[in-house]
Amino acid sequence: EIVLTQSPGTLSLSPGERATLSCRASQSVGRNFLAWYHHKPGQAPRLLIHTASIRATDIPDRFSGSGSGTDFTLIISRLEPEDFAVYYCQQYADSPLTFGGGTRVDIK
Amino acid sequence: EVQLVESGGGLVQPGGSLRLSCAASGFTFSSFWMNWVRQAPGKGLEWVAIVKQDGSVKSYVDSVKGRFTISRDNAKNSLYLEMNTLRAEDTAVYYCVGSTGWLLHYWGQGTLVTVSS
Repeated sequence: EIVLTQSPGTLSLSPGERATLSCRASQSVGRNFLAWYHHKPGQAPRLLIHTASIRATDIPDRFSGSGSGTDFTLIISRLEPEDFAVYYCQQYADSPLTFGGGTRVDIK
Repeated sequence: EVQLVESGGGLVQPGGSLRLSCAASGFTFSSFWMNWVRQAPGKGLEWVAIVKQDGSVKSYVDSVKGRFTISRDNAKNSLYLEMNTLRAEDTAVYYCVGSTGWLLHYWGQGTLVTVSS
């Protein structure tokens, strides 16, 4: 199975700052089938990005994804209060689908 | 508005059984693959099982094979997870998720399953 490693584990930033999150795969993710999700405790996770760089419906343009092969990045250009949450990457190219361990974005 | 509402969670003893349900609305349930994804306390997300639109194809993570059964009823817009021989490590919040293939689009808010004596 494809193992996804996210870094850093925690990111402490202030509102308005830029967040850069990394996701590295143990082998190449076919067709760049890599997604990012936003998750706040007690809430439903939300799909942000799919196919490495395509924003899901109604996702604001401060979220952008990039990368290919084994290295992927999620950038939040200017953090809003609702962006402080845990972010997961997920590959959906190979069975079983797998998630990274998550990056927590905290308020500094 | 898309809604996925899970129910059936609770406290169960090791070796026991539980049946989770998920009621879907706001989208064409029968057009989507459906999944269960779980999150153990303090841990990340783990995919558990998937079922095809017509129920003809099912797949499971290795740790639940032979113990869990996923099913759906398109006439009732409902998804189910039958969980048997439960273990402490099955303790988690279980999410019902609608997907296109393996891309997870629509998520419920989850139901907590606690396996403990």
